Amino acid sequence: GDSVTQMEGPVTLSEEAFLTINCTYTATGYPSLFWYVQYPGEGLQLLLKATKADDKGSNKGFEATYRKETTSFHLEKGSVQVSDSAVYFCALLGYKLSFGAGTTVTVRA
Amino acid sequence: EAGVVQSPRYKIIEKKQPVAFWCNPISGHNTLYWYLQNLGQGPELLIRYENEEAVDDSQLPKDRFSAERLKGVDSTLKIQPAELGDSAVYLCASSLTRTSGDPGELFFGEGSRLTVL
Repeated sequence: GDSVTQMEGPVTLSEEAFLTINCTYTATGYPSLFWYVQYPGEGLQLLLKATKADDKGSNKGFEATYRKETTSFHLEKGSVQVSDSAVYFCALLGYKLSFGAGTTVTVRA
Repeated sequence: EAGVVQSPRYKIIEKKQPVAFWCNPISGHNTLYWYLQNLGQGPELLIRYENEEAVDDSQLPKDRFSAERLKGVDSTLKIQPAELGDSAVYLCASSLTRTSGDPGELFFGEGSRLTVL
């Protein structure tokens, strides 16, 4: 069945550091891929998405490229801020939306 | 525009007691989902509704869990009786009906955190 594997956390960074969260997937067909984010005390919200191979999703300075050849959808941000501290979930939409386990990111001032 | 509203935010009960969670989706969203999120894990789908119809309840433990979505708007998720292992966050989400080629975005509520003692 469909599944998502993402980098285990927690990840702790200093402000302005570069962030990468790895995500790989297993799926039949051509799923859509997502990154959801959960800020402290808030519900999950969509960060970005990509619907086909080589698509790049971007939002709030974050980017992820749908790589069919490596079945990956890694999340990157060039310069993180304290406000980026959150839990990040990679997700795959096949028959249903399947989530990874989440990666907790803490950014220190 | 109001988001997905869930209640209660927190619930503490003793094992073998019943519990119910309520969800009000975003107006106009025909699809409603209940997810279970255990600590340190990603959400897992329990049930998906298209209007009043449960179109995917394969992951819902039907011996103790039940859900309903009367009139195709609000939904209730019930556990009876609750067990220690049911301690988790129960998330409700809604979306517009998926159409071909449109993956759609799920909008999540803040969740209901259940603690079973």
